[in-house]
Amino acid sequence: AQKVTQAQTEISVVEKEDVTLDCVYETRDTTYYLFWYKQPPSGELVFLIRRNSFDEQNEISGRYSWNFQKSTSSFNFTITASQVVDSAVYFCALSEDSSASKIIFGSGTRLSIRP
Amino acid sequence: EAQVTQNPRYLITVTGKKLTVTCSQNMNHEYMSWYRQDPGLGLRQIYYSMNVEVTDKGDVPEGYKVSRKEKRNFPLILESPSPNQTSLYFCASSPGTTSRNEQFFGPGTRLTVL
Repeated sequence: AQKVTQAQTEISVVEKEDVTLDCVYETRDTTYYLFWYKQPPSGELVFLIRRNSFDEQNEISGRYSWNFQKSTSSFNFTITASQVVDSAVYFCALSEDSSASKIIFGSGTRLSIRP
Repeated sequence: EAQVTQNPRYLITVTGKKLTVTCSQNMNHEYMSWYRQDPGLGLRQIYYSMNVEVTDKGDVPEGYKVSRKEKRNFPLILESPSPNQTSLYFCASSPGTTSRNEQFFGPGTRLTVL
C-alpha cells in the first residue's frame, strides 16, 4: 500500500533561516512519482516539483532544493534563506501511475516564516 | 489561459439538500479527479476519471457521485449531503500522456453542510 508521511505538522522559523521539510513515502512499485505542492494562505494548490523514481538527482530551483534518497524512501524539501512569502502549507505526494490520475498526499506541513 | 475552474467557490447548505459542484478544464486533459481536504488529513481522492464515461472510486467515495459526459467537465454530486461532508474540495486534471504528469488544481470549493 502506498503512504506518505510528513511528520512535521508545523514549523516556525525566523526569516532568512534555512528550513527542511521532511517527507517519507511507502510504495511497493519500483516506478513511482513524487511531488511537492504549496498551498499559500489564499488556498490554491501550486505545483512545485515532480520527481521520477529512476531519477535520483537532487534538484535546485532558486532558493528551493529537493533531496531524493531511495535508500531511506525520503524526498525532503529545503528552503534556503526563507522569506515571509514562503509561509504556506506544503504537501508531499506520491503517484504510482505515470498519468498521475491518482495521487496520495501527505497530511502537510504548515510553515510559518516570522519577520 | 489554461486553467481548471470550479463553481461555486463557497457554498453553505443544509443536510439532505442535493447539490452539484461543477468542474471544467480547458486543457483537453484525459484525467480528472476530485479531492477533499480536511485538517490533519491532507487531500484524499474521492473519484477520478480516465476519460469520457470512464470513472472509478478513489479513497473516500461514499456519499458522492460523479459523471464524465464531456471531456472538459467533471461535476461532483452530493445527493444527500451530511455535516461530515463539510470540507474543502478540489478538482484536478492531468494530461496523462506526457512526461510532465502533474495535476493541475482548481481554486477549491469550500462546502459547509449544516
